[in-house]
Amino acid sequence: DTGVSQDPRHKITKRGQNVTFRCDPISEHNRLYWYRQTLGQGPEFLTYFQNEAQLEKSRLLSDRFSAERPKGSFSTLEIQRTEQGDSAMYLCASSDRTGDSEKLFFGSGTQLSVL
Amino acid sequence: GENVEQHPSTLSVQEGDSAVIKCTYSDSASNYFPWYKQELGKGPQLIIDIRSNVGEKKDQRIAVTLNKTAKHFSLHITETQPEDSAVYFCAALGYSSASKIIFGSGTRLSIRP
Repeated sequence: DTGVSQDPRHKITKRGQNVTFRCDPISEHNRLYWYRQTLGQGPEFLTYFQNEAQLEKSRLLSDRFSAERPKGSFSTLEIQRTEQGDSAMYLCASSDRTGDSEKLFFGSGTQLSVL
Repeated sequence: GENVEQHPSTLSVQEGDSAVIKCTYSDSASNYFPWYKQELGKGPQLIIDIRSNVGEKKDQRIAVTLNKTAKHFSLHITETQPEDSAVYFCAALGYSSASKIIFGSGTRLSIRP
């Protein structure tokens, strides 16, 4: 078990550019989540996958955001035409949901700064 | 959808004293309540969880209580130590298989030596 890894750890970009983040979950986990966290706040749900199927996307998420999980393995989160308000920590988590409990294992996140 | 409120936002306690963090949730169908600890530069880490059919759960110095009628749950840390300093998040999971974990806004806990 190597844990959840995210790449890159830090990303600085100019407003209007596109960025892509990658998440490698724990291999046997079937669920993968993306959350966004700003300073002093809790993780805010963005979207999640069950295997390769994207089951839900937050209504707060603009159409500039897109996520994929090909073959139910790693996932990518792309933000197009970045805005300063997109600056945040983007967290990925994976889980193996069993019954009525779900233990999330988080990566260390990608810190995005939009200048 | 589910909404989780957490308080206080900051908490400072003397080393060795107890700390209590409280949360409320809105969806009466929620049935699983985890607590996460986040240290600087890291992602949140699960420290304890409780299911709706249990009123209290304890793990060494950490305990959680759940009052389903009032839709309240709390984290209790006894005999606090410097390494307990961190941000703590409560969370809730709904009953539906399509539901997801919703987090509170966090409590920054500081342990004074």
